[in-house]
Amino acid sequence: DAKTTQPNSMESNEEEPVHLPCNHSTISGTDYIHWYRQLPSQGPEYVIHGLTSNVNNRMASLAIAEDRKSSTLILHRATLRDAAVYYCILRDSRGAQKLVFGQGTRLTINP
Amino acid sequence: EAGVAQSPRYKIIEKRQSVAFWCNPISGHATLYWYQQILGQGPKLLIQFQNNGVVDDSQLPKDRFSAERLKGVDSTLKIQPAKLEDSAVYLCASRSPGQAYNEQFFGPGTRLTVL
Repeated sequence: DAKTTQPNSMESNEEEPVHLPCNHSTISGTDYIHWYRQLPSQGPEYVIHGLTSNVNNRMASLAIAEDRKSSTLILHRATLRDAAVYYCILRDSRGAQKLVFGQGTRLTINP
Repeated sequence: EAGVAQSPRYKIIEKRQSVAFWCNPISGHATLYWYQQILGQGPKLLIQFQNNGVVDDSQLPKDRFSAERLKGVDSTLKIQPAKLEDSAVYLCASRSPGQAYNEQFFGPGTRLTVL
């Protein structure tokens, strides 16, 4: 499974944008980029995914580099509820399509 | 739509005892996963079912862990006998059939403490 690299932790202020980076230099052409987050004492939840183009949904935006070797999850206006561990995961569209979680980035939001 | 249900939410046992966890996935979700999450780490896949067949159990410690999904709906994960290092949160997830990028829906997990 191709690996991702994320910072261990980040901190931001409430109502400000947050940019969470992810490096995936060994990504293959069939890998989707997925982001999940895990709030305290809960199971992970899906945030967004993309293949080549930038993506937007009600939770966040995903900006994918042209060479696909990195991506950035953007929370446009962070709230205290966005404090969580964010996981960037490459998921092969072939085979069993399993998720391989790394350590993720622990995001702290200051009031 | 009801989410993934798991029980119990918490379990404390002595080492060498047995324990079982139950999962009820979202209705219609053919794929079911069990993950182990040790404190401070990301979840690790233990086993994946497609309906009632095993797709991937490469990381399941088969000498002590077993899982089944009878009738392709509910699933049970068992540990027998438990070791101290099995202390973790056990997460169940399910996914609907169709596209490979379909999201996984996770349950709240069962927190196991082995003393």
